[in-house]
Amino acid sequence: EAQVTQNPRYLITVTGKKLTVTCSQNMNHEYMSWYRQDPGLGLRQIYYSMNVEVTDKGDVPEGYKVSRKEKRNFPLILESPSPNQTSLYFCASSLTNGVNTEAFFGQGTRLTVV
Amino acid sequence: ILNVEQSPQSLHVQEGDSTNFTCSFPSSNFYALHWYRWETAKSPEALFVMTLNGDEKKKGRISATLNTKEGYSYLYIKGSQPEDSATYLCAYSGGSNYKLTFGKGTLLTVNP
Repeated sequence: EAQVTQNPRYLITVTGKKLTVTCSQNMNHEYMSWYRQDPGLGLRQIYYSMNVEVTDKGDVPEGYKVSRKEKRNFPLILESPSPNQTSLYFCASSLTNGVNTEAFFGQGTRLTVV
Repeated sequence: ILNVEQSPQSLHVQEGDSTNFTCSFPSSNFYALHWYRWETAKSPEALFVMTLNGDEKKKGRISATLNTKEGYSYLYIKGSQPEDSATYLCAYSGGSNYKLTFGKGTLLTVNP
């Protein structure tokens, strides 16, 4: 089954404790991206990747890192999480450049930083 | 950050009603416009990706139109059903970057 898989689905952590949210897709998509969803705001892009070893900042990259060492995986790293990073996070992948083909979203990760 | 506006913010209709909502986006440097359907506790799912001015796309009872010159897209739902209840998101891409900018969505509730 074609899918984007995120883990974990739910996470409660403390300020400053490094964490990684994993994202994996099995569709051989080139483009992958991370979004956060906050109440009253639209999905905001954090980082995106056009292909292996090619990543770029989205609209809200501060406090996040990503890597794209393999085509299928695109982990999101919070080196020192803070309470303002409490949010619902989505990973998404697309076949080509991410804009003229549809995005496939993961199930979401609800992160709480206390 | 580009401005993508959706209206209305929320909408309540009765089963069987037809409805429509709007997505407004910058009309310059247009590249693509996406529509997604997002049900509570699930992931957004793609409805349409449109790239050409005048595009009209249809999937069952749902259709969409695109006007890139004036910067708007309409999403239409004919004969709404309770299972159509969801947040409908549009996303715009323009210029030379490969980013999607999402609107805040329209929350549709269809009452049986």
